[in-house]
Amino acid sequence: GAVVSQHPSRVICKSGTSVKIECRSLDFQATTMFWYRQFPKQSLMLMATSNEGSKATYEQGVEKDKFLINHASLTLSTLTVTSAHPEDSSFYICSAVPPQGIYRGYTFGSGTRLTVV
Amino acid sequence: SQELEQSPQSLIVQEGKNLTINCTSSKTLYGLYWYKQKYGEGLIFLMMLQKGGEEKSHEKITAKLDEKKQQSSLHITASQPSHAGIYLCGAATPGSGNTGKLIFGQGTTLQVKP
Repeated sequence: GAVVSQHPSRVICKSGTSVKIECRSLDFQATTMFWYRQFPKQSLMLMATSNEGSKATYEQGVEKDKFLINHASLTLSTLTVTSAHPEDSSFYICSAVPPQGIYRGYTFGSGTRLTVV
Repeated sequence: SQELEQSPQSLIVQEGKNLTINCTSSKTLYGLYWYKQKYGEGLIFLMMLQKGGEEKSHEKITAKLDEKKQQSSLHITASQPSHAGIYLCGAATPGSGNTGKLIFGQGTTLQVKP
């Protein structure tokens, strides 16, 4: 149980275009999801907390207008990288709190590798 | 804000050797998580520690949380090539409704030489 699916796993886009990444909880409802970014050989950096039915909470230094988060249903959160540039190339990964709560471990998607050319 | 310091940053061991990875928090930990990752892939949940002095084991991996709940260690006994990867410690910040964000240390990259 508590599976999170992330799509696409890889995407290449042209500079200036927007890219949408989806994060779905397959067998549970997730009122809260999280989006992380990971650079090569670095750890995961929390970008924002996605809250169903309300605005996302962004971490300091993360541009809200650049990284649009929508959590319109209890099973889907989307991250849209707007007007992507090569420096946005990275590994993006989402996670969700399982029904048992945070003390049972967060569930992570398999990640999306974004390459902006 | 809470910060996690992980050490060492990288580790190369011979197969069969034991190793320890440490994680130190700048604040008292409400929940300490250990994950394993192959770079470019998702995270595999290893263990979660919550109580001071708690210790958990899974196969050849043991994790401990100190009494003050600010330091944790991950110990691998008789390492194997399958243990290679990035080990991440994470700290949960409790929020409302049994949720809370999870932040990570810098990670420890482990290589196990056959």
